Amino acid sequence: AQSVTQLDSHVSVSEGTPVLLRCNYSSSYSPSLFWYVQHPNKGLQLLLKYTSAATLVKGINGFEAEFKKSETSFHLTKPSAHMSDAAEYFCVVTRNTGGFKTIFGAGTRLFVKA
Amino acid sequence: NAGVTQTPKFQVLKTGQSMTLQCAQDMNHNSMYWYRQDPGMGLRLIYYSASEGTTDKGEVPNGYNVSRLNKREFSLRLESAAPSQTSVYFCASSEWIPGNYGYTFGSGTRLTVV
Repeated sequence: AQSVTQLDSHVSVSEGTPVLLRCNYSSSYSPSLFWYVQHPNKGLQLLLKYTSAATLVKGINGFEAEFKKSETSFHLTKPSAHMSDAAEYFCVVTRNTGGFKTIFGAGTRLFVKA
Repeated sequence: NAGVTQTPKFQVLKTGQSMTLQCAQDMNHNSMYWYRQDPGMGLRLIYYSASEGTTDKGEVPNGYNVSRLNKREFSLRLESAAPSQTSVYFCASSEWIPGNYGYTFGSGTRLTVV
């Protein structure tokens, strides 16, 4: 069985300050983990992915995430928030061998204040 | 641009009406999916097609049918729309090969059933 929990439904930061979006998962299998971003009225865009290679994963737009097996976490970070980062972010867990047992987190909405 | 194209972008239906949501991808992906997105619930899988000629139920299939018309196209049909089917619908495709895991999403169809 798999599950994913995004620990915050909303996060608010000031522009130029660090971003931390938290995600915990559980999986009976070797997981692949993803972060997707959704801007208003848009589809989901892949930010980054972990698929059993390096545990520190770098993505687009300066985001990165670290896979910590002992903590079953895959938190998303960015050193300095930009106004354009305001969006909803989804943590996703799936089986390493395919996409048919994929679970999406409920989402975290990021607000960025000027 | 390569990607996933969904039509229509917006639709209002009366209860009991039927409609078909269209999806096409031009990335030569084998697998295609239909998700619905509701506030606070992330994305939930309605149906998926692992490859041309096959379809399977996902987490929330009731009230929907699908057709994998060919490798490019995967349609979702609502036979008798209900207010509970008011949602944003996303089509996605994937090709689960090492180094290329992850979904490509369409921009969504916002459906309101009154």
